[in-house]
Amino acid sequence: SQQGEEDPQALSIQEGENATMNCSYKTSINNLQWYRQNSGRGLVHLILIRSNEREKHSGRLRVTLDTSKKSSSLLITASRAADTASYFCATGLMDSNYQLIWGAGTKLIIKP
Amino acid sequence: DTGVSQNPRHKITKRGQNVTFRCDPISEHNRLYWYRQTLGQGPEFLTYFQNEAQLEKSRLLSDRFSAERPKGSFSTLEIQRTEQGDSAMYLCASSLVQGRTEAFFGQGTRLTVV
Repeated sequence: SQQGEEDPQALSIQEGENATMNCSYKTSINNLQWYRQNSGRGLVHLILIRSNEREKHSGRLRVTLDTSKKSSSLLITASRAADTASYFCATGLMDSNYQLIWGAGTKLIIKP
Repeated sequence: DTGVSQNPRHKITKRGQNVTFRCDPISEHNRLYWYRQTLGQGPEFLTYFQNEAQLEKSRLLSDRFSAERPKGSFSTLEIQRTEQGDSAMYLCASSLVQGRTEAFFGQGTRLTVV
């Protein structure tokens, strides 16, 4: 079964607005990663946050991690049409140094 | 282009046929992973190599699936006696052993079994 669950499953917003996606997980993690996937393409790594970190920024992306609630959020500020994609969270497990467990993703649509 | 390369990009095969996919990882990456992804779902882990050693294989992987990484560089994934349920996107990823652990993905091979 999948570890991560993204919320919402789908999100449609106007260009320029901020988009927030959430991820919940079940077991102890070493790190949590967010990836983007354009339709029919491979996954592109966005950002990695380790279990001892609470917040991380990369350009217009802001990721938070709350290990007590086993949840993470991805915020995309000032959204652009090119941000339209599916976004996945993947957790690196504490007892595994290689395997990532994935959620089903959030489909984000940015309307021009 | 020094990213992860997968071939072919698309494969249509008849049920019962064998298929083989190839993945060329980023050259300095020791770790190589195979995932399967169906529509609307996240990737499911299939198997993992560190150099040429296959260290883990998912319980999801039936005996019809086999993967190799003979010289610790490129890898192949073979599916024997394909079934319609094998239709999916097969993704390959690579990463470094030490340091940052993000994985770099190829564009995937989309398999359709008819």
